[in-house]
Amino acid sequence: ELKVEQNPLFLSMQEGKNYTIYCNYSTTSDRLYWYRQDPGKSLESLFVLLSNGAVKQEGRLMASLDTKARLSTLHITAAVHDLSATYFCAVFYGGATNKLIFGTGTLLAVQP
Amino acid sequence: KAGVTQTPRYLIKTRGQQVTLSCSPISGHRSVSWYQQTPGQGLQFLFEYFSETQRNKGNFPGRFSGRQFSNSRSEMNVSTLELGDSALYLCASSFLLGAYNSPLHFGNGTRLTVT
Repeated sequence: ELKVEQNPLFLSMQEGKNYTIYCNYSTTSDRLYWYRQDPGKSLESLFVLLSNGAVKQEGRLMASLDTKARLSTLHITAAVHDLSATYFCAVFYGGATNKLIFGTGTLLAVQP
Repeated sequence: KAGVTQTPRYLIKTRGQQVTLSCSPISGHRSVSWYQQTPGQGLQFLFEYFSETQRNKGNFPGRFSGRQFSNSRSEMNVSTLELGDSALYLCASSFLLGAYNSPLHFGNGTRLTVT
């Protein structure tokens, strides 16, 4: 079964702190995406990770992919309130499956 | 470049009715996927269309159907609505699903409430 799990499901953190969101997936894939969703809004693409060891950074967010461990991380550095949102990882399974499987999401609340 | 456009934004329907949702992809994108988002089940894949053909389907009952037109616009239909169909329905487009280096671009969604 194709499963994508994120933890934690909820993260409350103070501004200025660092934290990491983890995304584990059950079956081999070399393509992983991170999305952000604000309340009542759609999904905004953050990162596309396409190979083992891939690392992408944008502002205070950095994402990495370890295909051997079937693990991706989204690291938040010196959090600010504007980062408050729900973050989803999504794993692409090609071939006969050919679909994107989303993780459960992590609700991030950054407290001033 | 215009983004993915979904209409309507909100819908309220009664159990047993049917509903049609519309999605216009980004210009040049030929793949349209549909997802259902609920608090309990999260984001679940419904189906994907490419070149007017359904290429893949998620684990949803036959009450959920869709189609794609020659201009890549897509519609999804839900018949005999149930309370559990209340959800945010998201449409996403890409040049080709799973295209190298290409994420899905999502629309703002249609929020369906079934009473």
